[in-house]
Amino acid sequence: EVQLVESGGDLVQPGGSLRLSCAPSGFTFRTFWMGWVRQAPGMGLVWVALIKPDGTEKQYVDSVKGRFTISRDNAENSLSLHMNSLTAEDTALYYCARYGVAYGIDYWGHGTLVTVSS
Amino acid sequence: QSALTQPASVSGSPGQSITISCTGTSSDFGIDNSVSWYQQHPGRAPKLMIYEVTKRPSGVSNRFSGSKSGNTASLTISGLQAEDEAEYYCCSFFSDRTYVFGPATEVTVL
Repeated sequence: EVQLVESGGDLVQPGGSLRLSCAPSGFTFRTFWMGWVRQAPGMGLVWVALIKPDGTEKQYVDSVKGRFTISRDNAENSLSLHMNSLTAEDTALYYCARYGVAYGIDYWGHGTLVTVSS
Repeated sequence: QSALTQPASVSGSPGQSITISCTGTSSDFGIDNSVSWYQQHPGRAPKLMIYEVTKRPSGVSNRFSGSKSGNTASLTISGLQAEDEAEYYCCSFFSDRTYVFGPATEVTVL
């Protein structure tokens, strides 16, 4: 059974940093594009970042470029999102996502909550 | 980065058909056939309903269908059921190799 389990969400002060992790299981992680999608409380889905199976290509939404870094460790079966210079606008539930079909996210985690507040 | 538009809400009676539109706001709607649709119930993770404009993942009811004409993609729900009441999002992959979600469309079953 495919599972994506996120962790690392926390309350952090503006300007702070946080590292989110996603632990995949039930599939061959190293062969899939992976990414992160976020959802602020009561708001819609926002695509955040994407990483190629071998890690050589990474893409970001404009609002996080230069502040967030997506990475993966295929040997350790893990996906991460390093977030710096956090602002209140980054407050959201962050979902780990597997791109298992062409241009589509076929599996989602349950999300980890990031709250940026003083 | 580009943007997509969707109606804020669509409603229908049980058994009816409804259609949710998703329109690109510029001439660049996205890579051909890259449109996907997601259903999200309150407090739950999104669920893939349609990918590559018209394809249904295994396990998704055939009451859900997708199409695209020009700059507008559509999700049609036939034989509307109470369980279809949820928020729906379209998503497209653009030439700058980023994805964009449309705003939520709230579907209400009257």
